[in-house]
This record gives sequence, structure tokens and C-alpha cells, in this order.
Amino acid sequence: KAGVTQTPRYLIKTRGQQVTLSCSPISGHRSVSWYQQTPGQGLQFLFEYFSETQRNKGNFPGRFSGRQFSNSRSEMNVSTLELGDSALYLCASSIPAGNTEAFFGQGTRLTVV
Amino acid sequence: AQSVTQLGSHVSVSEGALVLLRCNYSSSVPPYLFWYVQYPNQGLQLLLKYTSAATLVKGINGFEAEFKKSETSFHLTKPSAHMSDAAEYFCAVRATSGSARQLTFGSGTQLTVLP
Repeated sequence: KAGVTQTPRYLIKTRGQQVTLSCSPISGHRSVSWYQQTPGQGLQFLFEYFSETQRNKGNFPGRFSGRQFSNSRSEMNVSTLELGDSALYLCASSIPAGNTEAFFGQGTRLTVV
Repeated sequence: AQSVTQLGSHVSVSEGALVLLRCNYSSSVPPYLFWYVQYPNQGLQLLLKYTSAATLVKGINGFEAEFKKSETSFHLTKPSAHMSDAAEYFCAVRATSGSARQLTFGSGTQLTVLP
């Protein structure tokens, strides 16, 4: 069974640009969550999608957005990039029931210069 | 709101020695608890999870954790460290009810294994 796939693995962008990251969940997993990991703030929850609807959102500015498609694949977008957006962005998929765990992709390393 | 605290951002042990990584949670009711491991430039891999079925949980790679409600702790242990255990370890908590399914992570513990 294929794991969670995130593309691209690495990105370099310039301040002010926008970026789109992609996540393909494990087959059958309908919940997708996104996390930002930085040395200073650690792992922080961005948002969760289920059945194409955002169910929860973390404490991030509106420049961070996402969506989920009917096949459960998800994208997140960051507009007007800032240097502080440099981070490892992790996607996790799960079966949204009971005590099931989240499975993580390898992440997308975004560097803003 | 739930939170987890990991005591010790860096832990060093000798190969073959006991590994003990500490995690304490803060929650009004016992939550779901998880330990994840992260190798450099990789995502998170689940080691084990506590879901109220048993207080002693066995995971992969010889790791286990014991849930202690009285101490609000979920410490991770391994009897004998191996060089391949060197990585960063994260404790995480998730609510058992409601629609909020996100994980709240501790700040992580970097484990170094000395030869």
C-alpha cells in the first residue's frame, strides 16, 4: 500500500511569491491534515480537510489556505511568501474514526529567500 | 486545551543502555497519546499509540510506553539503545471527542546514541 506522497520535496521561492504544495493520501483515507515544522515553533497544525471541507484550522494568517479534491488529494497554498514561512510542511492522512493514527508524508521543504 | 510537555530537548545514551524519553500531558480527560520518530529530512513515523485499551503499549523497534493517569505521563522507553535509534522523538496528544482531530505535539527530544 502506497504511503502519503507529498510533492515537491524541495522548493525555493522568493519573498512575495506564492506557492502550492500537494499531498496524496493513503488510499481510503479521507482526512488530510497539514502541519508546519520550524526549529523555533516546532510542529504546528495548519488545517484539516475531510470530504472536501475544512473541518479545523490552526492559528495561521489567511495567507495560508488549502483545499481537498473529491479523490481526497489535498493542496495547500501560501500567498505573499515571507521569510518566516520557510519550513518543512508535513501532510498527514487518516481514517477519521475513533482512535486511528495519522500517517505522515516525507514533507515539502520550503525555503523563502 | 490539550498540551504535551517533553522534558529534555536532548538526551544522550550509550549503545546498549536504557532509553527513557519523558512526556507529560495536560488534559481534563485522558486523551489519545502517540509517539512519533523523525529521521533527518523525513516525515514522522508512528512508534506507538495509547487508546485506553492497555496502559502498557508496545510499539515498533522495541519501544514501549506506559500510560500513568495519576502522573499524567506517557514516557517512552527502550531497554537497549541501538545506533539506529538516533533521531528526534515527538510525543503528541489528540482529543478523544469532538470534531478536533488535530495532533498537538511536544517540542521534541533529540536522541543521540554514543558508541
